[in-house]
Amino acid sequence: GNSVTQMEGPVTLSEEAFLTINCTYTATGYPSLFWYVQYPGEGLQLLLKATKADDKGSNKGFEATYRKETTSFHLEKGSVQVSDSAVYFCALDGAGGTSYGKLTFGQGTILTVHP
Amino acid sequence: NAGVTQTPKFQVLKTGQSMTLQCAQDMNHNSMYWYRQDPGMGLRLIYYSASEGTTDKGEVPNGYNVSRLNKREFSLRLESAAPSQTSVYFCASTRIRDGTYGYTFGSGTRLTVV
Repeated sequence: GNSVTQMEGPVTLSEEAFLTINCTYTATGYPSLFWYVQYPGEGLQLLLKATKADDKGSNKGFEATYRKETTSFHLEKGSVQVSDSAVYFCALDGAGGTSYGKLTFGQGTILTVHP
Repeated sequence: NAGVTQTPKFQVLKTGQSMTLQCAQDMNHNSMYWYRQDPGMGLRLIYYSASEGTTDKGEVPNGYNVSRLNKREFSLRLESAAPSQTSVYFCASTRIRDGTYGYTFGSGTRLTVV
């Protein structure tokens, strides 16, 4: 079945530091890949997505590239802010078959950014 | 604001009690989902409804039932609550069963079963 593995957290950074959160996946076919962000006490919000190999998703300074050869979708940001403190989830939407349309999530990575 | 609305936001139940979590979306989405979120486990799919009139089991359906009342509403019922069902529950919707548009999530229901 499909699975998503995220780097262990929590991640603690100083403001303006570079961020990488690793995400690798296992899936059949050609899934769509997502990063969702959850701020304290809130639901998940779509941060960015990529629907095919070599696509780059970007939003709010965050980027992730769909790498089929390494089955990865790592999240990066060049300069984090305190307001980026949140939990980040990598997810895939399995293509084809009975998994189509259902998200599989990683376990989430807690990011804390200090001033 | 348009989106996914969940009620209630918080609930405490005694073991064996029943309750229904409500979810409604006003985006004319076809597909709706219920997930539970537990520490260190991400979100796991309980049930989903690919379109009005259909429902299917997800990864962790035991102890739950669902109803797709109409295109807008998708409810989750716990018939006899157990402490293992203590969790945060999220409803989500998407236009079609396709990752192209992403999913919209509600703000969650925090349920405690004592």
